Amino acid sequence: DIQMTQSPSTLSASVGDRVTITCRASQNIDSWLAWYQQKPGKAPNLLIYQASNLENGVSSRFSGSGYGTEFTLTISSLQPDDFATYYCQQYRTYVWTFGQGTKVEIK
Amino acid sequence: EAQLVQSGGGLVQPGESLRLSCEASGFTFSNYRMTWLRQAPGKGLEWISYISKGGDTIYYAASVRGRFTISRDNAANSLSLQMSSLRVEDTAVYFCARGRSEGGGYPIFDLWGQGAQVTVSS
Repeated sequence: DIQMTQSPSTLSASVGDRVTITCRASQNIDSWLAWYQQKPGKAPNLLIYQASNLENGVSSRFSGSGYGTEFTLTISSLQPDDFATYYCQQYRTYVWTFGQGTKVEIK
Repeated sequence: EAQLVQSGGGLVQPGESLRLSCEASGFTFSNYRMTWLRQAPGKGLEWISYISKGGDTIYYAASVRGRFTISRDNAANSLSLQMSSLRVEDTAVYFCARGRSEGGGYPIFDLWGQGAQVTVSS
C-alpha cells in the first residue's frame, strides 16, 4: 500500500496567518491527491482534488500544489472556521490511503 | 440537496455481527461508485470497502476482507455493509461516501454520510 505522511501533526496559528501543510507519498502518485477538512464529530469535507483543483463551493483561501510524491495544502489567510484537522489522501490505487492528519489549532 | 443518511451501528460483543445502511437522496445513486470508511477513536481515516456503480466490482481493505460484505440496491438508493466476526479493533465511526471520478482516475469522496458509531466490547 502507498503510505502517506503529513507534517506537521499539529500546527498552532493565528487568524490571518498563512498556513502550509505538507504531504508525502511513499511512491509516485502523479496528481492523484486530495485534501479533506474534518471538524470534531463531523464527516470529512472534500477541499482539493487532483492535487490543485478546488472543489465547488470551497473558499479560494485554500490551494493545493505538488506532483509525484510531495504535495502542499496552503490556507492563505486563516479564518476562525478553518480550525480543524486536515487529511491528505491518495487515489492512485484502489487501496485509498490517508495521511495521519494535521490539526490546526488556535495560537 | 444530495445527502447520505446512515443507520445501524451500536454496541456488540466480539464475534457478533452488525449491519450498517446508507440511504441516498438528491442524486442519481446508480451513477456513482460508493465506499465505506472508518475512523477509530482519536485516529485518522481508513478506507475499508468499495463497490462499483452496478455492484460488479468490489474491493476490501485487508483489515476487513473475509469478514465484511458491501452491497447496494440501486432501486432502493441504498448501500449496506454487513459486518461479521467483529473484533475490538473494529470499534470506530463508520462513514459511507460517494465516489466521484475526475480525470479518469479512481474516485474521490465528495459526499459523506453523518457517520455511525460501532463499538465492539465484551
